[in-house]
Amino acid sequence: DADVTQTPRNRITKTGKRIMLECSQTKGHDRMYWYRQDPGLGLRLIYYSFDVKDINKGEISDGYSVSRQAQAKFSLSLESAIPNQTALYFCATQRGSGNTIYFGEGSWLTVV
Amino acid sequence: GIQVEQSPPDLILQEGANSTLRCNFSDSVNNLQWFHQNPWGQLINLFYIPSGTKQNGRLSATTVATERYSLLYISSSQTTDSGVYFCAVDIQANAGGTSYGKLTFGQGTILTVHP
Repeated sequence: DADVTQTPRNRITKTGKRIMLECSQTKGHDRMYWYRQDPGLGLRLIYYSFDVKDINKGEISDGYSVSRQAQAKFSLSLESAIPNQTALYFCATQRGSGNTIYFGEGSWLTVV
Repeated sequence: GIQVEQSPPDLILQEGANSTLRCNFSDSVNNLQWFHQNPWGQLINLFYIPSGTKQNGRLSATTVATERYSLLYISSSQTTDSGVYFCAVDIQANAGGTSYGKLTFGQGTILTVHP
């Protein structure tokens, strides 16, 4: 089983709908991240959390919200999905500062 | 913010050839990682290498932090090496070396290995 699990792996949703992407980890890491990848581009940071009570915006947080329900769980919500949010979304975890960051398998989201 | 530039943007090889991918970054880094993204979109950790040299099978990497670049070497390439290779860095937040904990990615190198 993967150490960083994302659900759903694939989702097609309609414009204006609310959708949640969930991430859970069994690595015991304190830090969790949500990234977005658009075709032909690198990953860009949406939100990050260094512990359960810490939530920070990344470079492209507009239109997104997150919830850190527990150390092991970090969910990303699109309150009202729009087509330009069609992308591959990655959750990631890290144990403290300056250590390897591990990525989940990604969630393909299409907004029609 | 920090700039991360990868070169070349595209690379086409014949199976068995060697290659070198480069990553330049514009600030002191606390973390540097190389990833391989396979055709299914999965990001695979290759190296955590903020400085020094590491080797893993046919792959090796070297980071010269003082000159702000890292190199990824692929020897005896195979068709399964095809995909996109990303360099990602996390800059130092202070003189003590604490990081911001946020990876900034380069644009990637698209590698195609033909049989």
